[in-house]
Parts: sequence; C-alpha cells; structure tokens
Amino acid sequence: QVQLVQSGAEVKKPGASVKVSCKASGYFFTTYGINWVRQAPGQGLEWMGWITPHNGNTNYAQKFQGRVTMTTDTSTSTAYMELRSLSSDDTAVYYCARGSYCAGGSCYFDHWGQGTLVTVSS
Amino acid sequence: DIVMTQSPDSLAVSLGERATINCKSSQSVLYTSNNKNYFGWYQQKPGQPPKLLIYWASTRESGVPDRFSGSGSGTDFTLTISSLQAEDVAVYYCQQYYTTPYTFGQGTKLEIK
Repeated sequence: QVQLVQSGAEVKKPGASVKVSCKASGYFFTTYGINWVRQAPGQGLEWMGWITPHNGNTNYAQKFQGRVTMTTDTSTSTAYMELRSLSSDDTAVYYCARGSYCAGGSCYFDHWGQGTLVTVSS
Repeated sequence: DIVMTQSPDSLAVSLGERATINCKSSQSVLYTSNNKNYFGWYQQKPGQPPKLLIYWASTRESGVPDRFSGSGSGTDFTLTISSLQAEDVAVYYCQQYYTTPYTFGQGTKLEIK
C-alpha cells in the first residue's frame, strides 16, 4: 500500500534551517509528484510547493521563494523540503502529499505523510 | 491567487441528519478543455493528516463511504454528508488544484448536535 513516512519532530532556533524528509513506498516514486503543505497550530492548510521526481522540476509558492528548496533522491524514493531563515511564524506541522500529474501541475493530493512538527523557538 | 471561501465556519448536526458545507472559489476552476473541475474535499481529524474524500468535484475516493457526496461546478461547490455518523466529526477543507498556488478553504468544523 502507498505510504509516505516523514522524519521526526524538530526544534530550531530563529534564523536556522530545517530539512524534513518524506520516504515513499508502495508505488513508483517517479510517476507522481510530491507536494509540501504546512499547518500552523490551530490553523488551516497552506501549500508550499511541489516537485516532480522524474526530472526534479519544482514549483514554489511565491511566499516561500528564495527560502525553500525541495529535492528528491530517486534511489531511495525520498523527498526533502528545506526551509531556511526560520522564524516563530514557521512553527507548524509540515506534510508531504502525493499528487498525480495533470495540466502541467499536480492533481488532488491522494496520500499524505503523517506530518512533522517543526518548532521555532529561542 | 484563487481564494477559497467556505461556509459555514462551523456546523452542528444531529446524528443521522444531513450536513452540508459550501465552498466558493474567487475564479472558475473548471478546465474547459476536458470539462473537469480541479477541485477537491478533504477531511481532517484531530492529530491526523488530511484525508482525500472527493476529487474532480464529485468523484468519491476509493474507500470513502457513499454518504459523502460532492457537487457543483465553476465557482460554487458543496459537500454533503447524507446521514451524519459520529466518526464524521472533523474539519473539512475544500481545495483548488486548477492553478498554483494550490489553495485551501479556511476549513469547516463539523460537530454533533
């Protein structure tokens, strides 16, 4: 069965960087994209961007441009999301979510990782 | 950016009764070349990731009970739970995947009356 397993919780200081991993199994990794979505405590869902593992193309939300990097390692079927220059506003649960390819982008997000809590605190 | 606006923000419904959640997008998410609405509904229970319920506005994801149904086109969409069960207590989100940035509604909290 399809599974996305994310790395564990992180605590970071303001100004630091965090790198979250998302290991996929149960399907051919390169035939779907990976989206990253975050959710601040008690808040809604915010799309950060997506990556297509078969060619490494990325599409980032403008809000995160210059501060986020999404990569994949096809040899281990793992996606990564690195966020730099962290502030307390970045405290959130970060999710990876699989999306099929359509219309030049991602379709609906049919499988999600369990989430990774990133806490930014001095 | 396409703004997704859900109504109501919260809803309390008796067990066995119908629950209806609405979502309006600031521009059409209907892709005319294939006549598909790039729109979906998700359910999120406390401490869990979101779960896909409905895609293409009205297609139920595999394994989702048939009491859940989606309707609408263009800019106006509805999620209906025909007979509310206790396990349906959750926050429900709509989403457009028509264009980036993919955006979600603010969420509707569904409770038992």
